[in-house]
Amino acid sequence: SAVISQKPSRDICQRGTSLTIQCQVDSQVTMMFWYRQQPGQSLTLIATANQGSEATYESGFVIDKFPISRPNLTFSTLTVSNMSPEDSSIYLCSAGRNYEQYFGPGTRLTVT
Amino acid sequence: GEDVEQSLFLSVREGDSSVINCTYTDSSSTYLYWYKQEPGAGLQLLTYIFSNMDMKQDQRLTVLLNKKDKHLSLRIADTQTGDSAIYFCAESINSGGGADGLTFGKGTHLIIQP
Repeated sequence: SAVISQKPSRDICQRGTSLTIQCQVDSQVTMMFWYRQQPGQSLTLIATANQGSEATYESGFVIDKFPISRPNLTFSTLTVSNMSPEDSSIYLCSAGRNYEQYFGPGTRLTVT
Repeated sequence: GEDVEQSLFLSVREGDSSVINCTYTDSSSTYLYWYKQEPGAGLQLLTYIFSNMDMKQDQRLTVLLNKKDKHLSLRIADTQTGDSAIYFCAESINSGGGADGLTFGKGTHLIIQP
């Protein structure tokens, strides 16, 4: 399995500001992903974080709002830009290897 | 497009078996997954099954896949209070879970009655 950590675990931010979430995996993985889980809802894939190239975004998500970096095989960041209260959610990082996909503990974001 | 459907709630008595059902629409799904989420916690990978398999058993967990009907189930034998959680069904398409993101169902709340 892979152990995934995220920082920060939670934050309260003011609208109009940006927050960068970090994701660290304890070993090299093939793919890293970012998901959003809104209160009481399921998980929605935001994007695939590609190492050394631009992230691949799902429908409804754009790079200007959710810029993603992945400088190496074990680390990725997601920035939530120009936040509004609708961005209040749990943001989860996941990492895939050998058909198994593991999730970090999530970052609980509240935008006021 | 992909869509994964689950019942929202399932209530069972402690000691009985729980069967959580899931249907999916994308026939090209390669791997199907079950995750468990306890209150305030992250997602725990319980098990997964490759689309060319019919069944997979792991201790108290049994996964059944009916590819013709696009139906997946998770059976938990001898359900305990610690099994109380939300169970998410998810599918991966194309090349498999190591290379593609997952589409999740809305989750089934498993409620254990004493």
